[in-house]
Amino acid sequence: DAEITQSPRHKITETGRQVTLACHQTWNHNNMFWYRQDLGHGLRLIHYSYGVQDTNKGEVSDGYSVSRSNTEDLPLTLESAASSQTSVYFCASSESGNTEAFFGQGTRLTVV
Amino acid sequence: AQSVAQPEDQVNVAEGNPLTVKCTYSVSGNPYLFWYVQYPNRGLQFLLKYITGDNLVKGSYGFEAEFNKSQTSFHLKKPSALVSDSALYFCAVRDGHNFNKFYFGSGTKLNVKP
Repeated sequence: DAEITQSPRHKITETGRQVTLACHQTWNHNNMFWYRQDLGHGLRLIHYSYGVQDTNKGEVSDGYSVSRSNTEDLPLTLESAASSQTSVYFCASSESGNTEAFFGQGTRLTVV
Repeated sequence: AQSVAQPEDQVNVAEGNPLTVKCTYSVSGNPYLFWYVQYPNRGLQFLLKYITGDNLVKGSYGFEAEFNKSQTSFHLKKPSALVSDSALYFCAVRDGHNFNKFYFGSGTKLNVKP
């Protein structure tokens, strides 16, 4: 069965370190998204991609970057981790048009 | 601007009673509307969607949702709540003009008490 997987599931890192969260989908979807989930804020869009070599900033993109070198993967990099980036991160993918998005299980990141 | 509002942070209901989780939206084009459920320490799971046609759509686990264009609402409903329905529920909209982006509400925590 097709799926979307995130790794690691949990990560603790120190302030200032570079961190990369992986997202891999086997749906062959063109669209991929990264969200962060924080209490009281719901899901906020960090970055998204409509296809290979395409990346776009979401509403909370500062301090984050993504790259899309193939259809299956959209890694999220925190350039220099900050305590404010402690959160749960979700990756999602979808077809274009009116279809639903499929979500990974999430990565809980703690920056100490 | 595109947005989704879930006016209730929390909804409490007794098992066996009907439940409603509210959602209103704002988009510039035709709305494509979705409901997701999130159980603790899990990702979001798709419940149902409205694209076009019948205003009442049925989804997984006995949930349904009613689309109301004049009130720009898409409320989630279930005739008889179960304790196992307790979870966090998110409403989302996809804009028909820029349909590659999803906009999510802030979530509503549903508590079903025995």
